[in-house]
Amino acid sequence: QVTLKESGPALVNPTQTLTLTCTFSGFSLNTSGMRVSWIRQPPGKALEWLARIDWDDDKFYSTSLKTRLTISKDTSKNQVVLTLANMDPLDTATYYCARSTTTRYAFDFWGQGTMVTVSS
Amino acid sequence: DVQMTQSPSSLSASVGDRVTITCRASQTINTYLNWYQQKPGKAPKLLIYAASSLQSGVPSRFSGRGSGTDFTLTINSLQPEDFATYYCQQSFITPRSFGPGTKVDIK
Repeated sequence: QVTLKESGPALVNPTQTLTLTCTFSGFSLNTSGMRVSWIRQPPGKALEWLARIDWDDDKFYSTSLKTRLTISKDTSKNQVVLTLANMDPLDTATYYCARSTTTRYAFDFWGQGTMVTVSS
Repeated sequence: DVQMTQSPSSLSASVGDRVTITCRASQTINTYLNWYQQKPGKAPKLLIYAASSLQSGVPSRFSGRGSGTDFTLTINSLQPEDFATYYCQQSFITPRSFGPGTKVDIK
């Protein structure tokens, strides 16, 4: 069965770079049509899509955050890594990774999320 | 980027009610529209994809309609477990975007 799980620091200082890892199972990012996205949700607020990496290593970013975001994959480890530079308290949020495919173009499986607080 | 709006932002309803939530895109997105349900402290759950296709395992009281820029999610005979926040999301263009959400609570 498909599972995803996010990991990373719970607390980050302002100006630091956040590194989050999504470890997944039940599918391969070597398989045509597979995609993994990162999505975040500040406390009490709406979902915000951040970035996506595809099976063919194509990468896509949020327009407002693209200068700060980097996404990469390690297919041998079944992992996708997201970095967000120059963290600010406004980046405090729960960060989710989610799978989508070129069959349904929807986020059909999600990780449980990891809460990241930006504070000194 | 495609902007998504939802109405209402919140609503109160009773068990057994029929509830309809509206989602609008800032430009045409064909039928590349998905609906998610999110309960407090949990990850979103896919309900409807491609505007009207029911995700496997989702009860048939959930249905979606629409194309172009205007879409609806309808819940027939609201159940206690349906009290949650609902988000629409477009998958026509990258970057992807979500609506601001509609919270359904108990009247």
